[in-house]
This record gives sequence, structure tokens and C-alpha cells, in this order.
Amino acid sequence: GAVVSQHPSWVICKSGTSVKIECRSLDFQATTMFWYRQFPKQSLMLMATSNEGSKATYEQGVEKDKFLINHASLTLSTLTVTSAHPEDSSFYICSAWARGTNTEAFFGQGTRLTVV
Amino acid sequence: AQKITQTQPGMFVQEKEAVTLDCTYDTSDQSYGLFWYKQPSSGEMIFLIYQGSYDEQNATEGRYSLNFQKARKSANLVISASQLGDSAMYFCAMREGRRSSASKIIFGSGTRLSIRP
Repeated sequence: GAVVSQHPSWVICKSGTSVKIECRSLDFQATTMFWYRQFPKQSLMLMATSNEGSKATYEQGVEKDKFLINHASLTLSTLTVTSAHPEDSSFYICSAWARGTNTEAFFGQGTRLTVV
Repeated sequence: AQKITQTQPGMFVQEKEAVTLDCTYDTSDQSYGLFWYKQPSSGEMIFLIYQGSYDEQNATEGRYSLNFQKARKSANLVISASQLGDSAMYFCAMREGRRSSASKIIFGSGTRLSIRP
């Protein structure tokens, strides 16, 4: 079946630096991908919709300049957390619909970001 | 606005018993989809079951079934013959609006299920 691969699985970075997280669709093309953030013991909150070849659509309250999203190809979307701070520490996870269906969304393995 | 509500933060169930996880939703759309995902401690999201708003039959996938009551706007997950490996966080989710590649999924707050041996 369709697989979404996310990299890295975990990352530790210093406060003030930037971190890039990749989300790839391995055996299908995804014109749209979704980025979620999940704080410990909480639900997944949609951050933004990544659109291939155009600007991402951000949810209310999500800082566009802090969370840069690039969807340069049909199989790759990237999320860059710029000038990271400890409060950005969270679990970030991407997803995409299996081609031709909206009955199952595939999720990446997630990236656990720790900012120190 | 669309909303998913899971009122059970945590549940304990004896192994081999059946368990029902509650989920209610709110939407003004006529066309929507409902999902259940399992999230073990590793963090991965495991798809369990899907129910379309126009599906007349309740969805079933192995030990999982979805008790869909459209008029009540509820979509409870039933796990039969629970196993120790079922211990995890369970999320009810909804696809907003008609099917398209841009359709978003929103999640409920989740229920942590613990299976006792």
C-alpha cells in the first residue's frame, strides 16, 4: 500500500537554529500533504496544508514565517522550523491521502523535535 | 465549524472483553467521512476503520466495527475480544466536506485505552 516516509524520526537542536523535516510519498504522488503538531498527551492539531507548486495554507494561529513549508515536487514536502525555541518542542507528523481516495490517509512516522 | 468530541480520556478493560470508544461529531456538511486511528507509544498513526456519511452499513474491519448513528452524529468504535496489544491512544477523526485531495482531517482529543491481563 501507499507509504509516507518522514525524516528524521527525532532531532535535538539548539535554541535559535532551524530544523528541516522531510515528508515523502514513496509510491504515489501527493499534490497535497498535511502537517500536524502534537504536544504530549494531546491530539493532533493541523498546522498547514502543503500544496505542490504553490503556497501552503496555514491554519489560524500558526506563524507562517516560523513554520516554512515547501512542496517542490509531487513526492516531497518539507517543514522548516525557523529560529526554534523550547516551546516548539513537539511531535510533528505529516499525512497524505492515498491516490484516488479519501477513505484512508497515510501518515509519516513522525518527528520528535526537542529544542534545548 | 466541524468538531470531534471524545469524552473518555482513559479506559481500562479486561483482556478478551469488548470495548466501545465514544465519538460524537458536529458538521454542517452533508458529505463527510469518519475515521478511527490507533496511536501506540511509538507515535505512528495506524488506520483502523472508515465510515462514509452516505454508507448505509456500519463499517467493519476484523475486530473493529464502527457504530454509526447519523441522526445522533455519533461514530463509536467497538473493539471485540480486546488484546494486550490494543493498549494505545485512539483518535476519532473526520474528513471535512466532499472528497478531494485537499480535504482536511480533524481529530478528537483521543481516548487512552489500557487492556488489563
